[in-house]
Amino acid sequence: GAGVSQSPSNKVTEKGKDVELRCDPISGHTALYWYRQSLGQGLEFLIYFQGNSAPDKSGLPSDRFSAERTGGSVSTLTIQRTQQEDSAVYLCASSFQGLSPLHFGNGTRLTVT
Amino acid sequence: GIQVEQSPPDLILQEGANSTLRCNFSDSVNNLQWFHQNPWGQLINLFYIPSGTKQNGRLSATTVATERYSLLYISSSQTTDSGVYFCAVESGGSYIPTFGRGTSLIVHP
Repeated sequence: GAGVSQSPSNKVTEKGKDVELRCDPISGHTALYWYRQSLGQGLEFLIYFQGNSAPDKSGLPSDRFSAERTGGSVSTLTIQRTQQEDSAVYLCASSFQGLSPLHFGNGTRLTVT
Repeated sequence: GIQVEQSPPDLILQEGANSTLRCNFSDSVNNLQWFHQNPWGQLINLFYIPSGTKQNGRLSATTVATERYSLLYISSSQTTDSGVYFCAVESGGSYIPTFGRGTSLIVHP
């Protein structure tokens, strides 16, 4: 597709369950970012992938969060043992490389009950 | 890390009015972007503007990097301009944009 694609668009899960969120970046974009946006708040950086370099994981809030990017394209964000405070919209973005315009997907709204 | 402050936090306009949104940052930047988040949550990149002035229709933006601020101008506002406007900067050797807390804009018909 032409834009960044995220799935699912909505996810409701029970506390303690694991969830996987998927991001398919724009073709040819080497940089991929995950951000989190809690209700009414700004964007909180989670993790950054650039090409084949080691990812920058400095924004991950706990070791329950992990992400991988396979083949330099699709990325999966995994949250283990979800907690209610994990409820938020998880946004993925991609860019051609560093220092170029960022393009966001529509996000995954995660609700932990 | 770099601090990004946006003002005003909230803005209410009547359709047709003009407005100026401001983004101040605490250190030199390599990149600055403006985004619009519509009421459905979609984030759209408006401008990629590390310096200088750009215009796109009724919107324009100016970044004065030496004075550490950027301005987003909205002229003849429309109800579809409603939403939250975010400024994001990259500084130093980082390619990770840091976002401000946004300006929430409501345009009444």
